[in-house]
Amino acid sequence: SYDLTQPPSVSVSPGQTASITCSGQALDDKYVIWYQQKPGQSPVLVIYQDRHRPSGISERISGSNSGNTATLTISGTQTMDEADYYCQAWDDRTVVFGGGTKLTVL
Amino acid sequence: QVQLQESGPGLVKPSGTLSLTCAVSGDSITRGRWWTWVRQPPGKGLQWIGEMSHSGTTNYNPSLESRVVISVDKSTNQLSLKLISVTAADTAVYYCARETTGTTERAFDIWGRGTLVTVSS
Repeated sequence: SYDLTQPPSVSVSPGQTASITCSGQALDDKYVIWYQQKPGQSPVLVIYQDRHRPSGISERISGSNSGNTATLTISGTQTMDEADYYCQAWDDRTVVFGGGTKLTVL
Repeated sequence: QVQLQESGPGLVKPSGTLSLTCAVSGDSITRGRWWTWVRQPPGKGLQWIGEMSHSGTTNYNPSLESRVVISVDKSTNQLSLKLISVTAADTAVYYCARETTGTTERAFDIWGRGTLVTVSS
């Protein structure tokens, strides 16, 4: 089965840039999707097809995918960005999620 | 405005069957999209359960495939999930979600609020 690996936690100071990675074998052969989930809330789609933002998602959020690693980047990080972030990819008609990364802004 | 609302028993006995429905409003469940179920055990990450297309095709998580059935009720515009032989490990918040259009590598763009199901005697 295909695995996606994320760091359990990332910390960033307000106003700085946060980078959350998602690793998998030949990941750039797939599209990577990212979700944001705040405590007690449902996940929200923030990036699809590696780098595209849905309508209404902040321009401070961006994505990239190269080699074995996809990266979600949040620039000018704010306290409102504190959340769990999950990457997702498809592997032969099944969905795989990364384990999630808790972003702390402090 | 598309909305999804999960419903069903909040408590299921071990070895029993978990049955949930997802009411879809603002979109037709038979109009060219896939619909999916995802669950999240308390304090843990997301796990994909499976999906169904507008035409009735299903794909399931291999780890759950022997116990799960996803179906749609066109008359009520609802998606359903049945999971048999449940154990405490099936305790989770269960979400239904709409998938983006496209033939491959779809994302989940609209999510329900989720419903907590606890497996306990």
